[in-house]
Amino acid sequence: AQKITQTQPGMFVQEKEAVTLDCTYDTSDPSYGLFWYKQPSSGEMIFLIYQGSYDQQNATEGRYSLNFQKARKSANLVISASQLGDSAMYFCAMRPPGGSEKLVFGKGMKLTVNP
Amino acid sequence: SQTIHQWPATLVQPVGSPLSLECTVEGTSNPNLYWYRQAAGRGLQLLFYSVGIGQISSEVPQNLSASRPQDRQFILSSKKLLLSDSGFYLCAWSGALGTEAFFGQGTRLTVV
Repeated sequence: AQKITQTQPGMFVQEKEAVTLDCTYDTSDPSYGLFWYKQPSSGEMIFLIYQGSYDQQNATEGRYSLNFQKARKSANLVISASQLGDSAMYFCAMRPPGGSEKLVFGKGMKLTVNP
Repeated sequence: SQTIHQWPATLVQPVGSPLSLECTVEGTSNPNLYWYRQAAGRGLQLLFYSVGIGQISSEVPQNLSASRPQDRQFILSSKKLLLSDSGFYLCAWSGALGTEAFFGQGTRLTVV
């Protein structure tokens, strides 16, 4: 079974600094997708970035980049130049292969950006 | 562009009452549809997903059911709500060969 682990319950970062949010996963399948979502206090889940297990390069999307280390089964999210609006819950998720297209989520972690 | 609508945004229901949450997607056809629940301060738990009309897969045994009467409509229901059904319910869709899932605004359900 697939499992996502986010061990950091919460993190604080100063505005304009970079921050890394940890995510490890467990799967025996060679093909899978990894995702990061942001959930502000309003509750909506906002898709941030995607990494395919066969992608040769780490995914980047604006200030977001994914540090994908396949051998270590980690997919850490790096946010550069933090902004106050980045304060939110962040969830790592994985889509296993098999056609169901469902996402398995980690428990999330709370990021607070201080001015 | 694709959009997903979920309503109502908030709901307070007494124990034992029925429930119907509706989710519709616009701008795409044959989407994969999902219902998730998020308990306070917790991650998302997948409740149901559907890959087509009338096709529902349940992830966990519970007091809830789901139906997909139309291609872009997904309904979460209960005949009799329990206190433990309280939570934040999120509907989502993804493309048939898609990658990321896109979420609705969520429904905050409080069973009293």
